[in-house]
Amino acid sequence: GENVEQHPSTLSVQEGDSAVIKCTYSDSASNYFPWYKQELGKRPQLIIDIRSNVGEKKDQRIAVTLNKTAKHFSLHITETQPEDSAVYFCAGVSSNTGKLIFGQGTTLQVKP
Amino acid sequence: DSGVTQTPKHLITATGQRVTLRCSPRSGDLSVYWYQQSLDQGLQFLIQYYNGEERAKGNILERFSAQQFPDLHSELNLSSLELGDSALYFCASSVDGQDWGWNIQYFGAGTRLSVL
Repeated sequence: GENVEQHPSTLSVQEGDSAVIKCTYSDSASNYFPWYKQELGKRPQLIIDIRSNVGEKKDQRIAVTLNKTAKHFSLHITETQPEDSAVYFCAGVSSNTGKLIFGQGTTLQVKP
Repeated sequence: DSGVTQTPKHLITATGQRVTLRCSPRSGDLSVYWYQQSLDQGLQFLIQYYNGEERAKGNILERFSAQQFPDLHSELNLSSLELGDSALYFCASSVDGQDWGWNIQYFGAGTRLSVL
């Protein structure tokens, strides 16, 4: 069935360091991969997304890479800041079902 | 503000009761999705409606039901509530255009349900 695995579950970095969160998916029909950031008690907010016809996408300090062959995609945050501290969810959308399947989430802590 | 409105923000009720959560999607969005997020848990997809019709179903309990009305707002009904139903319930909406697998989902602020 459809499944998205996300690692690590928690990540602690020093301010200014980079953070990398990795996800793998099982559904080969997945064609769209959004990343959401959720601050404590708030709604998940889309921060970046990538479609299956693209290998990499960058938006300021955030980048996402996709390896369709290996069914991997990753979120890279450079020059981390304390306000980057949140839970990050990866997700995959199957073109067959349209269902958005979320990973388990990564709690990122950026220490000042 | 995502443009997705959920009411109420908080709901406190007792076991065995029934509640209704309401969601108004962004203007122009045809799809509404419901998710459950328990404490320290991820987002569990419950159900999706598209233009009034059920389109996809996730791990939704039989005690839960949903519908989407002609004005596209949606309601999630939770009945025979149990302590374990306490969670944040999010609604999301998307346009669902021709290539609907790619549509971005925008989340509402959520309804926090506490079952005592």
